[in-house]
This record gives sequence, structure tokens and C-alpha cells, in this order.
Amino acid sequence: EVQLVESGGGLVQPGGSLRLSCAASGFTFSGAWMHWVRQVPGKALVWVSLINGGGSSTTYADSVKGRFTISRDNAKNTLYLQMNSLRVEDAAVYFCVWGMNYGYIYWGQGALVTVSS
Amino acid sequence: QTVVTQEPSFSVSPGGTVTLTCGLTSGSVSTKYHPSWYQQTPGQAPRTVIYNTNTRSSGVPDRFSGSILGNKAALTITGAQADDESDYYCVLYMSGIWVSGGGTKLSVL
Repeated sequence: EVQLVESGGGLVQPGGSLRLSCAASGFTFSGAWMHWVRQVPGKALVWVSLINGGGSSTTYADSVKGRFTISRDNAKNTLYLQMNSLRVEDAAVYFCVWGMNYGYIYWGQGALVTVSS
Repeated sequence: QTVVTQEPSFSVSPGGTVTLTCGLTSGSVSTKYHPSWYQQTPGQAPRTVIYNTNTRSSGVPDRFSGSILGNKAALTITGAQADDESDYYCVLYMSGIWVSGGGTKLSVL
């Protein structure tokens, strides 16, 4: 069974940092392209970042470029999102997602990030 | 800036058929956008229904189907059931990024 379990969410002040983790199991993680997608409850799904299976290729939404870094540790079957210089508008539920064929396939349960002073 | 459009809400009777659509404010949706569809109930993570235009995700009943209808992507539910009542989001792959519509709230009543 595919499982994606996010952790690391919480409350942070504007300008602060947070690192999200996503523990993967039930599939060959090292071959999987992985996304981070965020969502303010009731609003659209917003793509944040993508990383290839080996970790050598990454892409970012313009809104987070230069502030967020996606990475992975295939030995630990874990995906990361380092978020720096956080803004109020970054507040959302962040989902770890396994991607395939240009779509999102399996989703984690999400990690809530709140940015507030 | 091109925006992905979806009907804000739709209703269908139990057992009925409904087609939700996904368009662009500028241009037509085609298979090159690899449209995908996600079902979500309040407080839950999205669940993948359709990806790559018409491929059903694992475990999704065959009453769900995806297609291109005219200049839009479409999600059709044939024989709607009560537990199909959810928000449905369309996502398009556009020049290296993934863009979502605002979602359609589907009521089954």
C-alpha cells in the first residue's frame, strides 16, 4: 500500500523558516517524481515544486523560487521541503504527492503551515 | 495570464449523469495539457480520479471517465452516487507548471 506521511508543519512568524518532511513507503521511491502541492482550505490546488527520482532536477513555482528548496534522501525514502523567508501568503496545507504521466497520483494527508505574528 | 475555469457548482440526481468541464480563459484544452481530476471532501486530502486526460486512477470506479469535449477537458460521472458529492478540481500541465482550476462543488440530490 502506498503511504505518504508529511510532518514538520506548524506555526511560524513571517520571515521564519520551516522544513517539511514526507516519509514514503509502498512503492519504489527512488524512481518516483515527487511534488509538493499546497492548498488553502476550500481554494485551488497550487503546485509548489517538483523533483525527479534521482534528485538532480528540480523546478519551482515563481511564487516560491529562491525561498523554498525541495530535496530528497532516497536511502531514507524521504522527501523534504525547506521553506525560508516565509510570508503570510505561504500559509496553507502542504501535500506531498507522487507524480506520474504529468498528473498527481498519490497524496499524503497534508501538513498545516501557519504563518502569523 | 491564462486561467483554468471550472463550474463553481453543479448538482445531479442519484443515478444520473453529470459532466464537469475544465477550460481556459484563452485557448482550448487538448491532450497536450494532460488534464487530471481530483476529488476532495472537506478536511481530507484530494484523491486522484483521472490523470493524463482519461486514465482512471487505481481503485476508481468505471462510472468516472475523462475526455476532451470540444475545447475543454471533461469529467463525466455516469450513475452518480451519494458519496460522489465532493469538490472536484481540474489540473492542467502548462509549460512546465501545473495549474488548477478553482474547483466544482458537486451536489448529489
